[in-house]
Amino acid sequence: LAKTTQPISMDSYEGQEVNITCSHNNIATNDYITWYQQFPSQGPRFIIQGYKTKVTNEVASLFIPADRKSSTLSLPRVSLSDTAVYYCLVGPKGGGADGLTFGKGTHLIIQP
Amino acid sequence: GAVVSQHPSWVICKSGTSVKIECRSLDFQATTMFWYRQFPKQSLMLMATSNEGSKATYEQGVEKDKFLINHASLTLSTLTVTSAHPEDSSFYICSATIPVIDRGENTQYFGPGTRLTVL
Repeated sequence: LAKTTQPISMDSYEGQEVNITCSHNNIATNDYITWYQQFPSQGPRFIIQGYKTKVTNEVASLFIPADRKSSTLSLPRVSLSDTAVYYCLVGPKGGGADGLTFGKGTHLIIQP
Repeated sequence: GAVVSQHPSWVICKSGTSVKIECRSLDFQATTMFWYRQFPKQSLMLMATSNEGSKATYEQGVEKDKFLINHASLTLSTLTVTSAHPEDSSFYICSATIPVIDRGENTQYFGPGTRLTVL
């Protein structure tokens, strides 16, 4: 599985847009990029997934450059409740047949 | 949709006892479920893959005789921590995948986790 690298922590303020970048230099052709959010003492929650270019849903956008060696999770207008750990994962095709390898994640702290 | 539940949400037990944790997919059938463990301020670590109707596959370093996994139906997997000791205290999380044929996705849906404290 491709290894991912993300910043250990980030700070921002309410109402700002936050961009978290993840590096995955060894991403394979069939790998998808998935972001999860985890609050303390809760299971991770799926945020967004993409393969290339840009994906947007109701909570976030995911930007993936043409070489796919990195990706950026964009959270628009964050609030205090967005304080959490964000994990970037890459995984092979197959409908989730493999367990996921979590990196250290990015601890995002939103201040008033 | 895609809801995964765990029971109990927390449990405290004495050293040497066994604890069973249930993981259920509430609105879909999951042929594969996964069990993770998370220590404080650390990331999730995959413990084992649970396949319905067959033996679980354990990750390197995880004792299969200590962490018994049973996936008896398409909606239920159980993890039993046998002869628990304080070092087994952790946050145990299960996940399940929706079998989507050839969509190339690797989306897993996680349960809320179970906090185990062994005294």
